[in-house]
Amino acid sequence: DVKVTQSSRYLVKRTGEKVFLECVQDMDHENMFWYRQDPGLGLRLIYFSYDVKMKEKGDIPEGYSVSREKKERFSLILESASTNQTSMYLCASSSGREAPEQFFGPGTRLTVL
Amino acid sequence: RKEVEQDPGPFNVPEGATVAFNCTYSNSASQSFFWYRQDCRKEPKLLMSVYSSGNEDGRFTAQLNRASQYISLLIRDSKLSDSATYLCVVNGNDYKLSFGAGTTVTVRA
Repeated sequence: DVKVTQSSRYLVKRTGEKVFLECVQDMDHENMFWYRQDPGLGLRLIYFSYDVKMKEKGDIPEGYSVSREKKERFSLILESASTNQTSMYLCASSSGREAPEQFFGPGTRLTVL
Repeated sequence: RKEVEQDPGPFNVPEGATVAFNCTYSNSASQSFFWYRQDCRKEPKLLMSVYSSGNEDGRFTAQLNRASQYISLLIRDSKLSDSATYLCVVNGNDYKLSFGAGTTVTVRA
């Protein structure tokens, strides 16, 4: 059974703070993804990684960066949090092109005050 | 135009009813298709893959129409526990998935 874990379920930060969201998967998956989900907008891809130290911008990368130093761990960084980054953040992983279905972590609900 | 479009609903049905809904996708080169289920304030979970010939998993039936570029999901004998948002998901020939915004189904007693 695939397990994707995220470091926090709920997080409250202040405007301008640096925020780290951590994601770990235990299935040796090649690909990892960060999404945000907002009401009426669905899931939007922020960044993804198809290998260690590799990263690709998704649809809405502005204001975010990522780090993948180890295969199992993918971090999302908000360099200077802003109120419009209040959202649900979801991490996912998949094994590769032959099996593109993604498995999600429980999500982090981030509130920026 | 969005890559994946769904009727947001809500579809409000009594227990035991059959409910069906579609989604359309814009990329004719799409290779793989899925339905995910998402409960309120939870993460999306894979419900089923959708194959060209159509496939069934218990009370759930998925169909793919490549010519018209739509995917359907049918739920028979609805249960209260089927109340959720159903996400239509499409994959091109790369690592990424395109998600629809979801169709909300509410099953009432």
